[in-house]
Amino acid sequence: DTGVSQNPRHKITKRGQNVTFRCDPISEHNRLYWYRQTLGQGPEFLTYFQNEAQLEKSRLLSDRFSAERPKGSFSTLEIQRTEQGDSAMYLCASSPPRAGLNTEAFFGQGTRLTVV
Amino acid sequence: AQKVTQAQTEISVVEKEDVTLDCVYETRDTTYYLFWYKQPPSGELVFLIRRNSFDEQNEISGRYSWNFQKSTSSFNFTITASQVVDSAVYFCALNGGSYIPTFGRGTSLIVHP
Repeated sequence: DTGVSQNPRHKITKRGQNVTFRCDPISEHNRLYWYRQTLGQGPEFLTYFQNEAQLEKSRLLSDRFSAERPKGSFSTLEIQRTEQGDSAMYLCASSPPRAGLNTEAFFGQGTRLTVV
Repeated sequence: AQKVTQAQTEISVVEKEDVTLDCVYETRDTTYYLFWYKQPPSGELVFLIRRNSFDEQNEISGRYSWNFQKSTSSFNFTITASQVVDSAVYFCALNGGSYIPTFGRGTSLIVHP
């Protein structure tokens, strides 16, 4: 088990283009989180899945953002019509089944998006 | 709503100095956990320590120790005899009833040789 994997690691795109990121959680982890982190800030929650169900979405997640987790395995985060303000590090994290409040989240290395 | 505040944006120390990172939190939950994570330049947040809301006993683990005070809603983290490899951004996080961790903005620690 190699941990949470995110692809690509870096993405440069032109304003107005669509981008899609992928996250492969640790095997058998049923909880999956997406966070966004801008320079000098902490991770900001975007959305949360338990298995394939998207249980929570932040107000930060505008209608240009959509996330999926088909079959409760990997997840994708798509940003449509990207804007320069979308430039950030997008972090994915997962945690195991029956995880309680005491269970830490396991993070990937993130996808750094730059919108030019 | 949950909130985590890390007032220190950057701390600079010389190797072997002790350093304490401050964290203040807000929550309406009666049961919650507090965490510290480390984010090295590679970008991946790594879990360091945790403490539950019912146990105010302070602990030491190697060069790490933490001080949880419910009365002041603080969860401070100390690194003893800092090393250059400790240079990173440190995040305090709160996990309450929503099971969605809330993070502070982080404190950048720079340890000079």
